[in-house]
Amino acid sequence: EPEVTQTPSHQVTQMGQEVILRCVPISNHLYFYWYRQILGQKVEFLVSFYNNEISEKSEIFDDQFSVERPDGSNFTLKIRSTKLEDSAMYFCASSDGIATDTQYFGPGTRLTVL
Amino acid sequence: AQSVTQLDSHVSVSEGTPVLLRCNYSSSYSPSLFWYVQHPNKGLQLLLKYTSAATLVKGINGFEAEFKKSETSFHLTKPSAHMSDAAEYFCVVTPGYNQGGKLIFGQGTELSVKP
Repeated sequence: EPEVTQTPSHQVTQMGQEVILRCVPISNHLYFYWYRQILGQKVEFLVSFYNNEISEKSEIFDDQFSVERPDGSNFTLKIRSTKLEDSAMYFCASSDGIATDTQYFGPGTRLTVL
Repeated sequence: AQSVTQLDSHVSVSEGTPVLLRCNYSSSYSPSLFWYVQHPNKGLQLLLKYTSAATLVKGINGFEAEFKKSETSFHLTKPSAHMSDAAEYFCVVTPGYNQGGKLIFGQGTELSVKP
């Protein structure tokens, strides 16, 4: 069964450093998403992406965040200058259409900012 | 604005007994509602979804949920718990109109199953 994969599973970085979280969505999907979950809090929507541009972004997704689909398979989330409060589990998801609404999630990347 | 409230942060049941995980939602539009499950070190897996068809929705692994508009509820049930059901469960809502596909999650309910 096709699945969304994410690398790395755990990333540790120093405050102020740039990190790139990588995701490989399901191959025929067209819509891509990032969510995050700070420890003990809800899963929060960050951004959705379709046709090489952002469809919607949340208030959390400020200028320090960016997303990219650099090739036909990867979908990345970049955090330019990490802060302590960026420590969270980051989930990537993909769907074959917004109308179907079923998003398939990866296992997550745990980001720890020291 | 849309929101989801899961009424229990932790539920514990014995194997073979019924499971009830409670969820209330708030939505200005006809919502789509989902239940996702997360096993340790695994991604979020869709259990079932409601998208304005039948109000009783059947999902995988024997789970089902009933959409009750009058009560703004979407509780998840299973007649008989299995040890493998122990996991974190999330009730999720998305607006009935296109809003970039954003999903809004509840706080999650951790289900424990005792032998």
